[in-house]
Amino acid sequence: RKEVEQDPGPFNVPEGATVAFNCTYSNSASQSFFWYRQDCRKEPKLLMSVYSSGNEDGRFTAQLNRASQYISLLIRDSKLSDSATYLCVGLYGNNRLAFGKGNQVVVIP
Amino acid sequence: GAVVSQHPSWVICKSGTSVKIECRSLDFQATTMFWYRQFPKQSLMLMATSNEGSKATYEQGVEKDKFLINHASLTLSTLTVTSAHPEDSSFYICSASRGTQYFGPGTRLLVL
Repeated sequence: RKEVEQDPGPFNVPEGATVAFNCTYSNSASQSFFWYRQDCRKEPKLLMSVYSSGNEDGRFTAQLNRASQYISLLIRDSKLSDSATYLCVGLYGNNRLAFGKGNQVVVIP
Repeated sequence: GAVVSQHPSWVICKSGTSVKIECRSLDFQATTMFWYRQFPKQSLMLMATSNEGSKATYEQGVEKDKFLINHASLTLSTLTVTSAHPEDSSFYICSASRGTQYFGPGTRLLVL
């Protein structure tokens, strides 16, 4: 079983709508979790860190639920430029990152 | 700050040849760099951890004799794919660690 699991989608979202998706993790030893954004044929870029208390950055809200071992990302007022793959990532010992397959989001005009 | 470059950005080679990929941290020193590989529609998979001045640590299932890693300085790590075969065609991405990992733009390798 992979350490981080995501439903790849795609998630087709009308422009202006809200979209939310989760990822689950199996290894509870993770020190931290992150959401990265990856555009087609590009490297991943850090979107935001994820905390149990939840954190918000503009239209993006991330939440960590350690009891249920899942991480969520919510995007409000979706823009066309939000179309990308969102990678759920756990940080483990020796600074090792474990990536999920990603949630592909397609914002439709 | 925290810029990581990779060279080349893409390479096409014949089966059996060796390919070297460079990863450089341009504005910071990184004692640790990481090499990942990503196949289409798959997640990034860590191949190895590259430590400056010492041997790389390879993940299970990654052949260290096939994927040679050299971390000669605090700003440069190289990955050499030896005797490349078509199944080695992939997107190779490095990252350099300064607390957070910063990723290079990746190298697309196509082995014919």
